Amino acid sequence: EAGVAQSPRYKIIEKRQSVAFWCNPISGHATLYWYQQILGQGPKLLIQFQNNGVVDDSQLPKDRFSAERLKGVDSTLKIQPAKLEDSAVYLCASSLDRGRGPKETQYFGPGTRLLVL
Amino acid sequence: AQSVTQPDIHITVSEGASLELRCNYSYGATPYLFWYVQSPGQGLQLLLKYFSGDTLVQGIKGFEAEFKRSQSSFNLRKPSVHWSDAAEYFCAVGGGYQKVTFGTGTKLQVIP
Repeated sequence: EAGVAQSPRYKIIEKRQSVAFWCNPISGHATLYWYQQILGQGPKLLIQFQNNGVVDDSQLPKDRFSAERLKGVDSTLKIQPAKLEDSAVYLCASSLDRGRGPKETQYFGPGTRLLVL
Repeated sequence: AQSVTQPDIHITVSEGASLELRCNYSYGATPYLFWYVQSPGQGLQLLLKYFSGDTLVQGIKGFEAEFKRSQSSFNLRKPSVHWSDAAEYFCAVGGGYQKVTFGTGTKLQVIP
């Protein structure tokens, strides 16, 4: 079974530029998560989708971050414009949706490492 | 608000020695507790989880963890560490339908 795919793996941009990350979850997984992991910290949930809909985006900086999940499969996370403090690893995860909430195991992709100069 | 504290930022153990990684949580009700491992350049992988029942939980790769409600702890243990266990370990807490909150992680170094 293929895991969660993410691209690109690395990205270097200058501040005020825009950047987009792509995630393809495990086939059949209705729930998709985007996390931000700053160096020395644990992952922080940015946004959670269930199929096409947003379940939780309370920690997403909406003035510069946006995410979409068209057709309930792939997802993209965009930052526009980027700031220095956005330098982090962006992790995508997916899980089945069997009504178990956080009990459901999340499967993580390898992440995209972003450096903003 | 729920939170997780991993007091050890970095731990070094000799190969073959036992390991215990500490995790303390704050949560108002019965928590869901998780341990994940992250190898360099990799995503997180679930080692084990606790929802209810037996407070000693067995996971993959020979790891176990014990839930102690009185101490608000969920420490991870392994009786004999292998060089391949070198990685970063994250404890996490969730509950109900609230999002999972991760700790800041403990980096494990294994020396021969």
